Amino acid sequence: QVQLVQSGAEVKKPGASVRVSCKASGYTFIDYYMHWVRQTPGQGIEWMGRLNCNTGGTNVGEKFAGRVTLTRDTSISTAFMELSRLTSDDTAVYYCARGGDGSWTHLHYWGQGALVTVSS
Amino acid sequence: EIVLTQSPGTLSLSPGERATLSCWASQGVGRNYLAWYQQKPGQPPRILIYATSTRATDIADRFSGSGSGTDFTLTISRLEPEDCAVYYCQQYGTAPTFGQGTKVEIK
Repeated sequence: QVQLVQSGAEVKKPGASVRVSCKASGYTFIDYYMHWVRQTPGQGIEWMGRLNCNTGGTNVGEKFAGRVTLTRDTSISTAFMELSRLTSDDTAVYYCARGGDGSWTHLHYWGQGALVTVSS
Repeated sequence: EIVLTQSPGTLSLSPGERATLSCWASQGVGRNYLAWYQQKPGQPPRILIYATSTRATDIADRFSGSGSGTDFTLTISRLEPEDCAVYYCQQYGTAPTFGQGTKVEIK
């Protein structure tokens, strides 16, 4: 069965960066896009970007352009999301989610989420 | 950016009743790329419906989706206690966005 297992909770100081990992299993990693979304009580659910796990190509949402880096290591079927220049507004649960069949699709499988807290 | 507005904010119904959740888009959703998710506390969202009306695998047939263009609906035909959750719509064109959610409460 498809599983996405994310790294654990993080506490970061303002201005720092955070890297969240997402290990995939149960399917061929390079056959699907991996999306990253975040959820906060105030902003709801925001799509951050997606990674073509085959080519490494990315699309990043306008709000996160210049701050988000999406990468992958195909040898361990793992995707990574790095968010830089953190502020308190970046305190959120970050999810990876695998797309369905095709290019722009719904989010079919989700990781368990990783809470990132930004606090001085 | 396509803004999705969900209504109502909260829906409180009894078991067995029909729930109708609405999602309006600020502009037309291309190719009816509209999905619905269910989220329970402490869990990630779960896909219910995609492409406006296609039920995801293992989703009960009491969940159905309809609509086109800017106006979409999720219907739960006969509410069960386990349907207590927040429901989100999402358009997944080239800049995906989510609605703010509708909370369904069971009386």
